[in-house]
Amino acid sequence: DGGITQSPKYLFRKEGQNVTLSCEQNLNHDAMYWYRQDPGQGLRLIYYSQIVNDFQKGDIAEGYSVSREKKESFPLTVTSAQKNPTAFYLCASSPRGRAGENIQYFGAGTRLSVL
Amino acid sequence: AQSVSQHNHHVILSEAASLELGCNYSYGGTVNLFWYVQYPGQHLQLLLKYFSGDPLVKGIKGFEAEFIKSKFSFNLRKPSVQWSDTAEYFCAVNVPNFGNEKLTFGTGTRLTIIP
Repeated sequence: DGGITQSPKYLFRKEGQNVTLSCEQNLNHDAMYWYRQDPGQGLRLIYYSQIVNDFQKGDIAEGYSVSREKKESFPLTVTSAQKNPTAFYLCASSPRGRAGENIQYFGAGTRLSVL
Repeated sequence: AQSVSQHNHHVILSEAASLELGCNYSYGGTVNLFWYVQYPGQHLQLLLKYFSGDPLVKGIKGFEAEFIKSKFSFNLRKPSVQWSDTAEYFCAVNVPNFGNEKLTFGTGTRLTIIP
């Protein structure tokens, strides 16, 4: 069954704690993305990766870190430096195509809350 | 940098009413345009897209959108909505730029259909 798997579905973070959100895809897509979704603010790009071992900051990268050691995996760490981490986090992937034809496929999301 | 505006934050319609959701973007050059939909409890998924050619594009579930370059708009339409269209709708834009592909999303429009 092809798709994007995000885990866990719900996550709770204590003050000063780093937490890691998992994103795995078996679609053989080259690019992967992390978004943060807040009510009334739409989706904001945190980080993205076009190829293995390379990634770029998005619009709101502060307080987050990522790695891309394998094509199918793109974990996101929410560090203690992120002062307002409560949000819904979405992972996406897209195949290599012509420039701009960036159709993204999304996972089910992880809801992160602060205790 | 490009930006996307969705001025309708929450739209409430009765079944069988016609729908038009506004989307405007800020970039003056060539763009690719998308509408994504997030049904309650489901993954964000592609509704329709415009890359080139006929500016009137058709998507799934009877939705269509018209690209009007002079107005920087890509409004979403459906002639007769159903209760199952209740969802959040996101407009997104991509500027073709080899090796640096990302989508910019609008803030979303929540659509509620009253049976």
